[in-house]
Amino acid sequence: RKEVEQDPGPFNVPEGATVAFNCTYSNSASQSFFWYRQDCRKEPKLLMSVYSSGNEDGRFTAQLNRASQYISLLIRDSKLSDSATYLCVVERSGYSTLTFGKGTMLLVSP
Amino acid sequence: DAGITQSPRHKVTETGTPVTLRCHQTENHRYMYWYRQDPGHGLRLIHYSYGVKDTDKGEVSDGYSVSRSKTEDFLLTLESATSSQTSVYFCAISRGASDEQYFGPGTRLTVT
Repeated sequence: RKEVEQDPGPFNVPEGATVAFNCTYSNSASQSFFWYRQDCRKEPKLLMSVYSSGNEDGRFTAQLNRASQYISLLIRDSKLSDSATYLCVVERSGYSTLTFGKGTMLLVSP
Repeated sequence: DAGITQSPRHKVTETGTPVTLRCHQTENHRYMYWYRQDPGHGLRLIHYSYGVKDTDKGEVSDGYSVSRSKTEDFLLTLESATSSQTSVYFCAISRGASDEQYFGPGTRLTVT
C-alpha cells in the first residue's frame, strides 16, 4: 500500500451538493492527520486537522478511522469557491515529516 | 497568513548553472522544509531542517543541498541544474515535527 492514497478525481458536483473524499494511509503508527486545499497555481493551505473523535468546521467534517487506516472529508452545501484540489496529509511516523497525498480535484459547477 | 516568503518567485536558468532559492520566515518556527511539486507526483520532500545548522534529507534529495545559518532563513541550492529539476518549489514551516505546516507562495523554476 502507498503511504497515502487518494482518488485523483476530478469530482464534478453541482452547487449545494454534498461530497465526500476518502484517503487511506499505510503507517499504523501515524498520529497526526490533516486536510489541505490547494487552488490552481497556489500553495497548499491548511483546511483542518483531523482528530480521533472527528471534528467539524462549518460545512466541513473530518473523520479518522484508525482500524481501517483511512480518513475522510465531507463537504456539505458545496460552493463554487470550494473548487480546488484537496490533499490528505499524514504524519510520517519516525521521520519528523508529513506525507502528502497527490490530491483529489473537486469542481463545483453552477 | 503565516509570514513566509520565497525568492525568487520565478526563475529561468540554463542546464549546468547553480541556482539558490531562498525561504524566509518571520514566525520563529523551528522546522523548515523544501518540497517540489510536479504533475502526477504531488508534493515531494527534498530536505528539511529541525534547527539552525540541523538538516536532513527527504525522499528526493539527489542534486540538491540546503543550508540554515539563521532560524528565519532556509536556502535550497541546485548545484548544477538539470531539466528534470524544472518544477514548482515550495517552502514550508512548522512548530514541531508532526504539526501542521504552513507554505510559502512557491518558486517556479524552469531549467532550459
